[in-house]
Amino acid sequence: GESVGLHLPTLSVQEGDNSIINCAYSNSASDYFIWYKQESGKGPQFIIDIRSNMDKRQGQRVTVLLNKTVKHLSLQIAATQPGDSAVYFCAENIGAGGTSYGKLTFGQGTILTVHP
Amino acid sequence: DVKVTQSSRYLVKRTGEKVFLECVQDMDHENMFWYRQDPGLGLRLIYFSYDVKMKEKGDIPEGYSVSREKKERFSLILESASTNQTSMYLCASSWSGFNEQFFGPGTRLTVL
Repeated sequence: GESVGLHLPTLSVQEGDNSIINCAYSNSASDYFIWYKQESGKGPQFIIDIRSNMDKRQGQRVTVLLNKTVKHLSLQIAATQPGDSAVYFCAENIGAGGTSYGKLTFGQGTILTVHP
Repeated sequence: DVKVTQSSRYLVKRTGEKVFLECVQDMDHENMFWYRQDPGLGLRLIYFSYDVKMKEKGDIPEGYSVSREKKERFSLILESASTNQTSMYLCASSWSGFNEQFFGPGTRLTVL
């Protein structure tokens, strides 16, 4: 029979605009967060990460913001380019102690489309 | 550069067949992971391994098994493939004590 999947959130922007992709997490014990980019036909690629003792971290054209009070994470992409079109995933890790072994729990993803 | 390779990009198998998906990493990573990715569901962890011959169940291990006989290689086994195992399978690896995972290109498996 037909399988029905969840619809991914989508964000559509014009080239040159700034993009903001949001992610809510549920585990207050999570101490590490990471953003991945997945282009069509490829595996996810690391973009940027942040530890829970930080509120903000910047990379090249990307900034991650962490709000632990409301358990919210965002990825900001400056001057978005057509090559930024992809699915973006946030992921969290509960902690390196115990038996987490660096396991990540992924969100469902957001589709970013950049129009020239 | 870290390289994670997967044995096949596309695979078509029949219901009931035994399927092997192979993953090799070249950075001496201790941790290796198998995920499946389905539209709208993100990446779901099937199994992971933190050392040779060690394995732990992830969130959806039913219908799968794994093997890690060598540090660089982690195999996912579908003992008797079923149509609901049609999916994209992603392998990843990481250093012990680090959270960043490096992913392979994925294997798109279709079970008919």
